[in-house]
Amino acid sequence: GIQVEQSPPDLILQEGANSTLRCNFSDSVNNLQWFHQNPWGQLINLFYIPSGTKQNGRLSATTVATERYSLLYISSSQTTDSGVYFCAVEEDTGNQFYFGTGTSLTVIP
Amino acid sequence: GAVVSQHPSRVICKSGTSVKIECRSLDFQATTMFWYRQFPKQSLMLMATSNEGSKATYEQGVEKDKFLINHASLTLSTLTVTSAHPEDSSFYICSARAFEHYGYTFGSGTRLTVV
Repeated sequence: GIQVEQSPPDLILQEGANSTLRCNFSDSVNNLQWFHQNPWGQLINLFYIPSGTKQNGRLSATTVATERYSLLYISSSQTTDSGVYFCAVEEDTGNQFYFGTGTSLTVIP
Repeated sequence: GAVVSQHPSRVICKSGTSVKIECRSLDFQATTMFWYRQFPKQSLMLMATSNEGSKATYEQGVEKDKFLINHASLTLSTLTVTSAHPEDSSFYICSARAFEHYGYTFGSGTRLTVV
């Protein structure tokens, strides 16, 4: 199956700082999403972004499908941004949706 | 739109008993639903693909006789953990997709504790 690696695995930021999270995948995909998992386990969908760039407030994401990676940008981080960020992809040869290894973000005041 | 409801949110059961978890698509029909398991501080691992009206497809290493999946209608899939043991304690979460060019939507998850 497709391999999905995220980096860095852990990230600690001072409030107000910017960060970039990366998602690399090993095969062609027709769906890519970024999620934020809150402390209660709920997955919050951030972006549906199989290609291109999208922005939503302080967050933006870019997927370069031909080079098999996606980036999630968080600007002016806040303590409420803390949690685990996952990317997940669907191979274009099937309809299974696989999660990456995750990035655990801690924003300190 | 595209809401997936999962119930129960939390369950504690005794070792050896069975537990059923429900996953419903509230405002769309889902011919396919997915079940994931997540252990503490780990990623979500796809367990199986639930297909309406046919047998589920299990990922390698997942015991199909232990994790029974039934997808009897276009809005409901159930996961039954049979003869649960403490090592089955985990966070289980389901998902479905409303439209072809729309992302996957996830339920709120079920935290299972087997004592």
